[in-house]
Amino acid sequence: EPEVTQTPSHQVTQMGQEVILRCVPISNHLYFYWYRQILGQKVEFLVSFYNNEISEKSEIFDDQFSVERPDGSNFTLKIRSTKLEDSAMYFCASMGRRANYGYTFGSGTRLTVV
Amino acid sequence: GIQVEQSPPDLILQEGANSTLRCNFSDSVNNLQWFHQNPWGQLINLFYIPSGTKQNGRLSATTVATERYSLLYISSSQTTDSGVYFCAVGSNTGKLIFGQGTTLQVKP
Repeated sequence: EPEVTQTPSHQVTQMGQEVILRCVPISNHLYFYWYRQILGQKVEFLVSFYNNEISEKSEIFDDQFSVERPDGSNFTLKIRSTKLEDSAMYFCASMGRRANYGYTFGSGTRLTVV
Repeated sequence: GIQVEQSPPDLILQEGANSTLRCNFSDSVNNLQWFHQNPWGQLINLFYIPSGTKQNGRLSATTVATERYSLLYISSSQTTDSGVYFCAVGSNTGKLIFGQGTTLQVKP
């Protein structure tokens, strides 16, 4: 069964550092998303990406965040200057042209900012 | 925006028991999914079920879109069923709105 792959699985970074979280969506999918989950809380939408541009973003997704699809296969989330409150599990997800099967989520990157 | 409420928030079962988890949502949706978050934090897609009924082994789900609720049934529960169950709703290709989840603990 096709998978969404995320790397790294766990990243520890110092406050103020830049981090890049990487995702390889399912190859024929067209819609890409990032979500985050602070420990013990529900999963929150960050941003959606379609046709090489952001289609929707939440109020969480401020100027410190950016997304890219640099080479047609990878999909990255960059946090420019991390804060302690950015510590969370970050999930990438993708969806095909027909939403018959819904979203497929990756296994997540646990980001710890110290 | 759409509100998603799940009940109960917590559930403790003995192995072998059956359970029903509920998801209420406040507006019409094109997409409804049930996820199981395992102890390692992975979100496992259980069902894509904007309407109707589906079954997969011991799990089944029913969504009554006109009444804006969905039910997840777990029969003959096993310890490996433990974890958090999330309902998430949204438009076809737009963002998903997640509920707060139901934390299930199955005791041997």
